[in-house]
Amino acid sequence: SQKIEQNSEALNIQEGKTATLTCNYTNYSPAYLQWYRQDPGRGPVFLLLIRENEKEKRKERLKVTFDTTLKQSLFHITASQPADSATYLCALDIGGSARQLTFGSGTQLTVLP
Amino acid sequence: DVKVTQSSRYLVKRTGEKVFLECVQDMDHENMFWYRQDPGLGLRLIYFSYDVKMKEKGDIPEGYSVSREKKERFSLILESASTNQTSMYLCASLYNEKLFFGSGTQLSVL
Repeated sequence: SQKIEQNSEALNIQEGKTATLTCNYTNYSPAYLQWYRQDPGRGPVFLLLIRENEKEKRKERLKVTFDTTLKQSLFHITASQPADSATYLCALDIGGSARQLTFGSGTQLTVLP
Repeated sequence: DVKVTQSSRYLVKRTGEKVFLECVQDMDHENMFWYRQDPGLGLRLIYFSYDVKMKEKGDIPEGYSVSREKKERFSLILESASTNQTSMYLCASLYNEKLFFGSGTQLSVL
């Protein structure tokens, strides 16, 4: 079955540094991959979508890469700020509709001032 | 902005009770979803609906049912609540390949 692994449950970094989160998957070839942000007690919020034919996508301080050979996506937050502290979820499309969207369990990022 | 509203932030119910979780979206989206989120397990899809009165089982439908009588409203029903259904329940609607989530309902079954 499809499996998604995010690199670690918790990641602490110093303010101003670049945070790098990893999402690895097995057993399928997704058409696209998404990243969401979730704050405590709230629902996830969509951040970025990257398609299988795209290597990289950027949005302000966020950058996502997608390597379909390695079956891996990297999510970078540059010049990190304490306000970036949250749980980040990756989600994989393994079919033709969002019905097939499968989520990883998330990485909790803490940016220390 | 898309707004997905879940009727309750916190609910406490007793084993065996019938529980209704309500979700309303204001953007006329066709597709709506119910997930549950448990520590270490991520989000798991319970049911989804692609139109009024249309529904499809997700990965963990056992013990749940759904209702979609109007396009904007998607209800999750726990026919007879059990302690293993204690969880965070998240409703979402889909637009342009993106999911828009409600704030979630933390359900405790005692």
